[in-house]
Amino acid sequence: DSGVTQTPKHLITATGQRVTLRCSPRSGDLSVYWYQQSLDQGLQFLIQYYNGEERAKGNILERFSAQQFPDLHSELNLSSLELGDSALYFCASSHLSGRSYNEQFFGPGTRLTVL
Amino acid sequence: GNSVTQMEGPVTLSEEAFLTINCTYTATGYPSLFWYVQYPGEGLQLLLKATKADDKGSNKGFEATYRKETTSFHLEKGSVQVSDSAVYFCALSESGAQKLVFGQGTRLTINP
Repeated sequence: DSGVTQTPKHLITATGQRVTLRCSPRSGDLSVYWYQQSLDQGLQFLIQYYNGEERAKGNILERFSAQQFPDLHSELNLSSLELGDSALYFCASSHLSGRSYNEQFFGPGTRLTVL
Repeated sequence: GNSVTQMEGPVTLSEEAFLTINCTYTATGYPSLFWYVQYPGEGLQLLLKATKADDKGSNKGFEATYRKETTSFHLEKGSVQVSDSAVYFCALSESGAQKLVFGQGTRLTINP
């Protein structure tokens, strides 16, 4: 158990809908990362938050947004869903954000299926 | 941009066989390199890492050496077990940044 929790575990929805994925980082970790794992794109970095502020952005679609709250949990919002958004979404956390690498601890993921 | 290329899978071996999973990278600067493992139904776990050239990362019998001259970070294990069956990801972290860039993953199955 990494200490990172994600809810829900599975999500099935229809095209055009909006969903929210939730992540609670390990106790004391200030950085949260979101990754998408799909069959065609592999594992891709979406976005990073550090202590409530956006720190880095990757291949995140404009239909997707995220935020990190004062209690450090994070939510990833996906809207106007398309079939191609079906994927496993991982959250990871680490203690620091700076010049040196800090080990990222991954949650079990949320499997999103868009029908 | 930065990228990671892994040998294509799936890979199937017998127990106690020698394992090599190739990984090469393209990066500017001096990235840190990692191997992550994903067991069925679970998230990714860091298996080992190396942060500079010629460093050797090791854990649970697995090893990988950061080779700058060949831009490689191949994963090796001398004698695999059934419990090593999983998907293995090679990844890099750009110098000065924290996001991970992953390879496509290699599914490893070990038969008893």
